[in-house]
Formats: sequence, structure tokens, C-alpha cells
Amino acid sequence: ETGVTQTPRHLVMGMTNKKSLKCEQHLGHNAMYWYKQSAKKPLELMFVYNFKEQTENNSVPSRFSPECPNSSHLFLHLHTLQPEDSALYLCASSQVSSGGVDTQYFGPGTRLTVL
Amino acid sequence: QQQVKQSPQSLIVQKGGISIINCAYENTAFDYFPWYQQFPGKGPALLIAIRPDVSEKKEGRFTISFNKSAKQFSLHIMDSQPGDSATYFCAASKGNQGGKLIFGQGTELSVKP
Repeated sequence: ETGVTQTPRHLVMGMTNKKSLKCEQHLGHNAMYWYKQSAKKPLELMFVYNFKEQTENNSVPSRFSPECPNSSHLFLHLHTLQPEDSALYLCASSQVSSGGVDTQYFGPGTRLTVL
Repeated sequence: QQQVKQSPQSLIVQKGGISIINCAYENTAFDYFPWYQQFPGKGPALLIAIRPDVSEKKEGRFTISFNKSAKQFSLHIMDSQPGDSATYFCAASKGNQGGKLIFGQGTELSVKP
């Protein structure tokens, strides 16, 4: 596997279910991100992890819970979601240094449908 | 909320024509402006990026024009091809924000043969 991989690619869940999204980056990067992509809206940054430490939580509801066990893996735990949470969830990674921004590499996303 | 405003929402261009997508930003501290291309079923991929110390950057058929005083930047696709049909996102960030990108709303480009 190369780049950024995400599993599952599609997920349908009820409002009372608990599920997890997984992201893995094979690029040796030190930062990972979760984004939400809804139709006709900008990509919304949800969480940022630098060196496994969460550095950004963009006012995301507590029903979304991120976990970063190491610099290569990122999870998004989901519980008691709402239908409006249906969207494409994208994971990205980048190499962040004091010198500034580097390219973010995105995975293919998980298409989530909440019934 | 720091915003990046992108237009148009959708664009139809004939094969061989020029596609132009515009973005405007508010925060003068932004110092990195990438464009991402997204095909259906795929994640966004970096297409081309510019920093404010230059007014134009060209890579093949893709050119970014940057106007610092107007706080605007645009993507020009020359000789547009049906394979360029995708959604394009502009973005902006500050170098000291650990990679945090602010994205525009996206432009759905369709190039007709």
C-alpha cells in the first residue's frame, strides 16, 4: 500500500450504532487530519494531530472521537450520529516543520450514511 | 472564521478552451495557496501551489495568477481536456499554523468534447 489508505470505503449505520473509521499513511509524515466533505460545502477540518498530539479540534461534536495511536494511524470513532452527519470523511497527512506548510496528501475517503 | 471564497460553483468549457476559477481570501497573513483537484470517488490531490512572493506560477497547462493587493488568486487551465473534468478546490494557510488549510467551496468543471 502506498500513500494514504482509508477503511471502510463505504459505511451505513443507524443512529444508535458505534463504528470506527481507520486511516493509515505510508509516507512517513508527522501530521494527520480528519476532514468532513458535504455536498456543495467547503472541506471542513475536524481534527489535527501533530506527532500524535491533537492540536486542533474544530468545534466538532463529541459524538465524533478521534484517536491517534502512532504517527501512521488515525481513527475516528463514531457513536449516536445524526442523519446530517452523512458525508464523505477524508483523512490526510503531511510533513509539518517550523519552516512552514507542506503538501497534504488525502486518502480516498469513507462515504458515511446515517439512517 | 477565516474564509476563502471560490467562484464559480460550476463551469462548463468546450475542449480546447480556457477554464478560469477564482478565489478571494480575507486574511492577509495567509502565505500558501494551493489548488486541489478531486475526481469522483477519490480524495483531493495537490495540483499546483503558490506563495505570495510571486504573481504567477505555471506548470504545464495549469497556471496560478496571484494578486496580493486584491487578495485574489485564480487557476487557469489552458487547452482544457475532457480528462480535466473534476472538482477543483482552492485553499489557503499560514505557515505557522501547522498545516491547517482553509478550503474554498469547490468548482465542478465539465469539459465537453
